[in-house]
Amino acid sequence: GAVVSQHPSWVICKSGTSVKIECRSLDFQATTMFWYRQFPKQSLMLMATSNEGSKATYEQGVEKDKFLINHASLTLSTLTVTSAHPEDSSFYICSARRNEQYFGPGTRLTVT
Amino acid sequence: AQSVTQLGSHVSVSEGALVLLRCNYSSSVPPYLFWYVQYPNQGLQLLLKYTSAATLVKGINGFEAEFKKSETSFHLTKPSAHMSDAAEYFCAVSDGQGGSEKLVFGKGTKLTVNP
Repeated sequence: GAVVSQHPSWVICKSGTSVKIECRSLDFQATTMFWYRQFPKQSLMLMATSNEGSKATYEQGVEKDKFLINHASLTLSTLTVTSAHPEDSSFYICSARRNEQYFGPGTRLTVT
Repeated sequence: AQSVTQLGSHVSVSEGALVLLRCNYSSSVPPYLFWYVQYPNQGLQLLLKYTSAATLVKGINGFEAEFKKSETSFHLTKPSAHMSDAAEYFCAVSDGQGGSEKLVFGKGTKLTVNP
């Protein structure tokens, strides 16, 4: 139990376009999900906390208008990178909270 | 604010040798501490966690870690390394209940296991 999926697993998009990443808790309901960003050979940095039915809480320095988070149901949170630029290329990982955080497999975004 | 320091970004051991990955933390409240493993292009898998119960915590795959408050450390060990242990390891700290709250991660240690 406690499986979290992400879709897509990797995506390539052109600069200026938007891309949506989905995070799903497959066998449990999660009122809270977290979005992390991981640069190559670096640690995970928390971007935002996604709460079902309410606005996400963003960490300092994260542009909320650029990284749109929607947590419309108890099993799905989405992260939309708007007007993507090459510097947004990264590995994005979500986690869903039950009694602890369960992590998804990650999405590799490459912006060309 | 909480923080985690992992000494050694890269550790290399021989198969069958002891694995020791170091983690020191800083926290103004009693911490909850975690070790995660990440294989290439994958998410994180929880190895073990300390949540104020026993100071010696046993996890999956033969790993264990000891919480030492006096040293503010939570080092990860395994008596005998296996080739499949080669991965990136992250130490993390949380001030919430069992890691359900915000996690702060260390920079990670890449473990290489030589045959």
